[in-house]
Amino acid sequence: DIQLTQSPSFLSASVGDRVTITCRASQGISSYLAWYQQKPGKAPKLLIYAASALQSGVPSRFRGSGSGTEFTLTISSLQPEDFATYYCQQLNGYPPGFTFGPGTKVDIK
Amino acid sequence: QVQLQESGPGLVKPSQTLSLTCTVSGGSISSGSYYWNWIRQPAGQGLEWIGRMFTRGTTNYNPSLKSRVTISVDTSKNQFSLKLSSVTAADTAVYYCARGFYYDSSGYALDSWGQGTLVTVSS
Repeated sequence: DIQLTQSPSFLSASVGDRVTITCRASQGISSYLAWYQQKPGKAPKLLIYAASALQSGVPSRFRGSGSGTEFTLTISSLQPEDFATYYCQQLNGYPPGFTFGPGTKVDIK
Repeated sequence: QVQLQESGPGLVKPSQTLSLTCTVSGGSISSGSYYWNWIRQPAGQGLEWIGRMFTRGTTNYNPSLKSRVTISVDTSKNQFSLKLSSVTAADTAVYYCARGFYYDSSGYALDSWGQGTLVTVSS
């Protein structure tokens, strides 16, 4: 099974900061990675799929990149509404192994 | 725009079966090439995928839960359901239903989610 790790687990940042979150896969997964944002008490929201494709309606300050085993989610200028937990996710193989990363919480400094 | 809504008991006794339903509105559960998923999240923890169903009959389950999980669909009601048997306190979580799609041959993501429902396992 493919495992996903995220770093950091927690980060503290200010409005306007550039923030980068990393997701690493235990095996190569090409560009088959998605990113989600989850706010407290809410369902996750799809931000990025195919490692770098922006989901409809998601602000352009969110950018995904990477392939193989290392991926990044960058928020170019952190906004108040971006304080949340971010998860990466992949599905691989058959029968499919579906995996979420452990999450990165972005908090207000 | 498709919307999903979970429903079911908020309290289940240990050893019993947890049963939840997800009602899909704004689109037919049978149309397109979507998969219908269940995910759960214990309080303060991360997300765990439970399983998924394609309306043409294919189901896939998390190996760690496979022996206890059944996902089924009722196309006449535009609903799909989750049954998790022999529950324990470890199954206490917020349960989400979600729509999944393939954006590539092996690329899969969940683009629409229900709001989630808390299920507590306790006597």
